[in-house]
Amino acid sequence: DQQVKQNSPSLSVQEGRISILNCDYTNSMFDYFLWYKKYPAEGPTFLISISSIKDKNEDGRFTVFLNKSAKHLSLHIVPSQPGDSAVYFCAARRTASKLTFGTGTRLQVTL
Amino acid sequence: KAGVTQTPRYLIKTRGQQVTLSCSPISGHRSVSWYQQTPGQGLQFLFEYFSETQRNKGNFPGRFSGRQFSNSRSEMNVSTLELGDSALYLCASSLGRVDYEQYFGPGTRLTVT
Repeated sequence: DQQVKQNSPSLSVQEGRISILNCDYTNSMFDYFLWYKKYPAEGPTFLISISSIKDKNEDGRFTVFLNKSAKHLSLHIVPSQPGDSAVYFCAARRTASKLTFGTGTRLQVTL
Repeated sequence: KAGVTQTPRYLIKTRGQQVTLSCSPISGHRSVSWYQQTPGQGLQFLFEYFSETQRNKGNFPGRFSGRQFSNSRSEMNVSTLELGDSALYLCASSLGRVDYEQYFGPGTRLTVT
């Protein structure tokens, strides 16, 4: 049972434009959500997180939006840069429980 | 501060053998989690240790086991290896129970032939 889903396996965006990566979840008990970025041959790198008591968190070019009623979160990257090309994983957990990851979305930022 | 380190980085084993992977967390981190990454499956949670105690466990067979030492270093062991165990095994550490940000190591690439 995939409790965290990233339905788009890949996304291609032009440099300078906005990248929007989406994630859906089914477990209403999740209270913390995270995004990780992964380059080949490296472990995932923490990017940004959001608590369920918020609906938006911003860090530089990265903004995460949470829509609890829709059980949906999204990561916006503005403006997109070639170095952002990587696989992005969303993850969710409830207090003191394990992190559940999505299957990832490969972002390609083209020149 | 040094990051999470994992050894070895690459490993080739034969079906039926066993393997032990090692993870050293970031200094001061007491929680260590292990994940298996395979193409199309994302990161599948194996187990999590905190202060030498297994706190959470994923849906993997008993062939997969782990432990954590008093210095927070952790090992995971896979016995009777199967071809399907070929994957990238990732270790992540965090400060403790209430810290949600996990910091990952580079992983160990295990190939079972």
